[in-house]
Amino acid sequence: QQQVKQSPQSLIVQKGGISIINCAYENTAFDYFPWYQQFPGKGPALLIAIRPDVSEKKEGRFTISFNKSAKQFSLHIMDSQPGDSATYFCAASYPGANNLFFGTGTRLTVIP
Amino acid sequence: GAVVSQHPSRVICKSGTSVKIECRSLDFQATTMFWYRQFPKQSLMLMATSNEGSKATYEQGVEKDKFLINHASLTLSTLTVTSAHPEDSSFYICSASVSGGEWETQYFGPGTRLLVL
Repeated sequence: QQQVKQSPQSLIVQKGGISIINCAYENTAFDYFPWYQQFPGKGPALLIAIRPDVSEKKEGRFTISFNKSAKQFSLHIMDSQPGDSATYFCAASYPGANNLFFGTGTRLTVIP
Repeated sequence: GAVVSQHPSRVICKSGTSVKIECRSLDFQATTMFWYRQFPKQSLMLMATSNEGSKATYEQGVEKDKFLINHASLTLSTLTVTSAHPEDSSFYICSASVSGGEWETQYFGPGTRLLVL
């Protein structure tokens, strides 16, 4: 079964707007939540990651918000740019798991 | 830092032939390497996990005799698709895991597009 649920499947945002992608999980053992960005024909690139001991992490225009009680985390892209158009995957992992459990991906299109 | 390369970037082969894909961690030693498969517009599907010098651990439903993985060193893992068929056509992506620091982070290669005719 899908251990990490991601929404929306696709998202269209105006240039300068805020893009928000949401993920939810059930396994409370998860303690590492990275976001990956993937351009067509390329491998995913690590964008930003968070642990559940903080509620927010910001790196430039990218922010992860984490709600431990709700078992949800989200990626916010501020001042979205056409160059941000890509597919974004959330993921989760737990100690000893070694591998990542990926969400289904969100295709973001930022229109000029 | 933390660059992972894959070779070739794309390959076309005839049905029945075998294809080898290389995954290298260029500037670090990877404790673990992973192989994923990705269909168009879909998420990554983990195929197997490999540690240097030991046998790979395959995910349920992945044929180990069809997808041979060799992890010869801390910087090189290879995936061989044996007797390839058109249904094996896909985008294959490797990743390498780096221990230390805050987390064990996975860094992905650029992927290899395989087309079997």
